[in-house]
Amino acid sequence: DAGVIQSPRHEVTEMGQEVTLRCKPISGHNSLFWYRQTMMRGLELLIYFNNNVPIDDSGMPEDRFSAKMPNASFSTLKIQPSEPRDSAVYFCASSFVGRPEQYFGPGTRLTVT
Amino acid sequence: GQQLNQSPQSMFIQEGEDVSMNCTSSSIFNTWLWYKQDPGEGPVLLIALYKAGELTSNGRLTAQFGITRKDSFLNISASIPSDVGIYFCAGPNSGNTPLVFGKGTRLSVIA
Repeated sequence: DAGVIQSPRHEVTEMGQEVTLRCKPISGHNSLFWYRQTMMRGLELLIYFNNNVPIDDSGMPEDRFSAKMPNASFSTLKIQPSEPRDSAVYFCASSFVGRPEQYFGPGTRLTVT
Repeated sequence: GQQLNQSPQSMFIQEGEDVSMNCTSSSIFNTWLWYKQDPGEGPVLLIALYKAGELTSNGRLTAQFGITRKDSFLNISASIPSDVGIYFCAGPNSGNTPLVFGKGTRLSVIA
């Protein structure tokens, strides 16, 4: 069975450029989470959706970050404009609504120069 | 918000040794989850605990849900090189989602 799929796996971009990260949750899951992982701050929840609706975006660092979930099988996290401090690994995870068990994708390693 | 404290932060052990790590919180949790993250990959769910006092095994891994509901332990028996990675504990912030994660225990196994 396919797990959570993320693309791209690696992204290198210049400061000021727009970056779009993509996620396909596990089929049938109806909660989707975006995390950011850095050495300094560990795993941080950015935003999560239940049934395609954003529930809590209080973890989104600033207005440069936005996330959408147009349907049950696809979500994007966009950074515009990107800055060097956005360099991190971004994970997408999915679960059933109301269940604590989350399943993570392989992550996107973002480097902003 | 709730925080989870993991200890030790890192450990170096010889292959074949048993490993023990723990996770504590100042607040009560209703569920404890243990994840392992290999280098360059996402965290993988190892064990889920749902009741105080529960002891659950997954191969050489055993985890326990503390009686106080404020801690959990993960033990690995007879460690092997592929046990290397970062082990995270996690629990729901409220209700069943979202999760709060500890900072992780980095395990290194010396052959």
